[in-house]
Amino acid sequence: DTEVTQTPKHLVMGMTNKKSLKCEQHMGHRAMYWYKQKAKKPPELMFVYSYEKLSINESVPSRFSPECPNSSLLNLHLHALQPEDSALYLCASSQDGADGYTFGSGTRLTVV
Amino acid sequence: GQNIDQPTEMTATEGAIVQINCTYQTSGFNGLFWYQQHAGEAPTFLSYNVLDGLEEKGRFSSFLSRSKGYSYLLLKELQMKDSASYLCAVRVFTGGGNKLTFGTGTQLKVEL
Repeated sequence: DTEVTQTPKHLVMGMTNKKSLKCEQHMGHRAMYWYKQKAKKPPELMFVYSYEKLSINESVPSRFSPECPNSSLLNLHLHALQPEDSALYLCASSQDGADGYTFGSGTRLTVV
Repeated sequence: GQNIDQPTEMTATEGAIVQINCTYQTSGFNGLFWYQQHAGEAPTFLSYNVLDGLEEKGRFSSFLSRSKGYSYLLLKELQMKDSASYLCAVRVFTGGGNKLTFGTGTQLKVEL
């Protein structure tokens, strides 16, 4: 299995809702990442998990809460989001070598 | 922080060769990656450079000069399906681990 699987593919949520994005990989990668991508912009790093521990938080607002239950799973819990948080949320994993980061197909989030 | 710059748009002809440049300023450099991203899809890994010189992979080649903070991606025998966004990404080592930061992206349009 050489894929990163993200669910759901699309999500519409209200500003008072609580929802979660899920990411799964079975490549044995030790690092996992959340990126946010707005239209016609490059992906922006949000969080880095290394060996299931949060190692980098790029000053992301607390309404985004990451969780790494085990080495294969990465969640992003969403609460009280704003319309400007609407974006494509990409999960990635890597072994931090020369093979690059493998990205999931993303969750397209719309906050209404 | 890091500055990673690329041209915003480029246009080339099918069958031709195109070179996409990337300049960066960063500390803790730990590798440079090129990704291709079609609209609405996840970025896909193209190439990786950590030492100076040229890496060749089929129709794609990537060059790195660490002293100049410069890289380029060379695409040969262009095909229509090569129309996409090309993202230069720099990996840096921080106290929290490795992080991959993307440049502004170059939208390549291949024409007949």
